[in-house]
Amino acid sequence: GQQVMQIPQYQHVQEGEDFTTYCNSSTTLSNIQWYKQRPGGHPVFLIQLVKSGEVKKQKRLTFQFGEAKKNSSLHITATQTTDVGTYFCAGGAWGQNFVFGPGTRLSVLP
Amino acid sequence: AAGVIQSPRHLIKEKRETATLKCYPIPRHDTVYWYQQGPGQDPQFLISFYEKMQSDKGSIPDRFSAQQFSDYHSELNMSSLELGDSALYFCASSLARVGGTNYGYTFGSGTRLTVV
Repeated sequence: GQQVMQIPQYQHVQEGEDFTTYCNSSTTLSNIQWYKQRPGGHPVFLIQLVKSGEVKKQKRLTFQFGEAKKNSSLHITATQTTDVGTYFCAGGAWGQNFVFGPGTRLSVLP
Repeated sequence: AAGVIQSPRHLIKEKRETATLKCYPIPRHDTVYWYQQGPGQDPQFLISFYEKMQSDKGSIPDRFSAQQFSDYHSELNMSSLELGDSALYFCASSLARVGGTNYGYTFGSGTRLTVV
């Protein structure tokens, strides 16, 4: 079945440094979504990417969908302590429910 | 804005007992999903419902069952609880897929089940 992988599993950064997490799917995706889960909280929808090569920005966050629609990345510029949490990608193959990646847990040191 | 409501927030049960978790989706959302998240794990899909019918099934144990009612709320019934069932159980809702493409999920705050 479809598998979604994310790297790195953990990332510790100093406040102000950049951060990137990568998501790879074993199958071609129809779309991909990104979620953020704060410690003790629930996943919160951030964005959905649909088009091949699509790039979307939300303030300091930049999301990219690969040309082959099998990979995606989330880049945070100049991290802040409020960025702490686990970032999940969720890949949806055509007509299928999303499969969540294992997440990247981000720690930001002040 | 209304969110996905889950109850109870916390639940403690003994082994072999039963538990019922409830989920009230966002109004007009016709699809409900149940996920199980163990400590330090990613959410694992259990089951989903569209228009009160089961639409997809994931890694849901046979001891668990779920249904969606006429008011679109959903219940996850768990029997013969085991220690390994201790986890966060999330419910999410969305509009149904259109043309094979999913809409974003809105997650509830989850029910933390502890089996002792």
